[in-house]
Amino acid sequence: GENVEQHPSTLSVQEGDSAVIKCTYSDSASNYFPWYKQELGKGPQLIIDIRSNVGEKKDQRIAVTLNKTAKHFSLHITETQPEDSAVYFCAASNTGANNLFFGTGTRLTVIP
Amino acid sequence: SAVISQKPSRDICQRGTSLTIQCQVDSQVTMMFWYRQQPGQSLTLIATANQGSEATYESGFVIDKFPISRPNLTFSTLTVSNMSPEDSSIYLCSSGPGGETQYFGPGTRLLVL
Repeated sequence: GENVEQHPSTLSVQEGDSAVIKCTYSDSASNYFPWYKQELGKGPQLIIDIRSNVGEKKDQRIAVTLNKTAKHFSLHITETQPEDSAVYFCAASNTGANNLFFGTGTRLTVIP
Repeated sequence: SAVISQKPSRDICQRGTSLTIQCQVDSQVTMMFWYRQQPGQSLTLIATANQGSEATYESGFVIDKFPISRPNLTFSTLTVSNMSPEDSSIYLCSSGPGGETQYFGPGTRLLVL
């Protein structure tokens, strides 16, 4: 089955700096890659996703890049703010299977 | 995007008892899923709740321990049976519009004493 690895496990940045979280996946059939943000005491919130037919997607301060050949994808957050502090999870799936396979999570702390 | 609610939001239970968690979606959805998130860990899929048929369980999870109902396209329940302290976790319900996109409920925080 699919195996998703995520790095780093913790990340601290100064407010205004950029943050990058990286994930790798093992199954070349995976074609959908969402990112979730989980704040303390809440469920995961979908913040951005990308499909295998594109290499990059942006939504304001958030962007995701995908390298299918290397089987890795990354989340980029620019101009970080304290409210960006949360645990971020990457995931991968094959649309035919519907299951999402999650990475181990990255705890991002933005220092004011 | 689907809006998902769960009840209860949290509970403290005694070992040996059972707890049923409810999940309600604000629109009809084909797929509903149940996940477990142990403290400080990632999400692990327990099962896919199928409307009109038995749930599909992932390796390591069995129907006797985690019975699931899906009576219609907007509602599902997960029961955690014969609980032990190892069952203390966050239980999350998710659903999607039929494809791979999944939206999550707020979770049920369970502590078993």
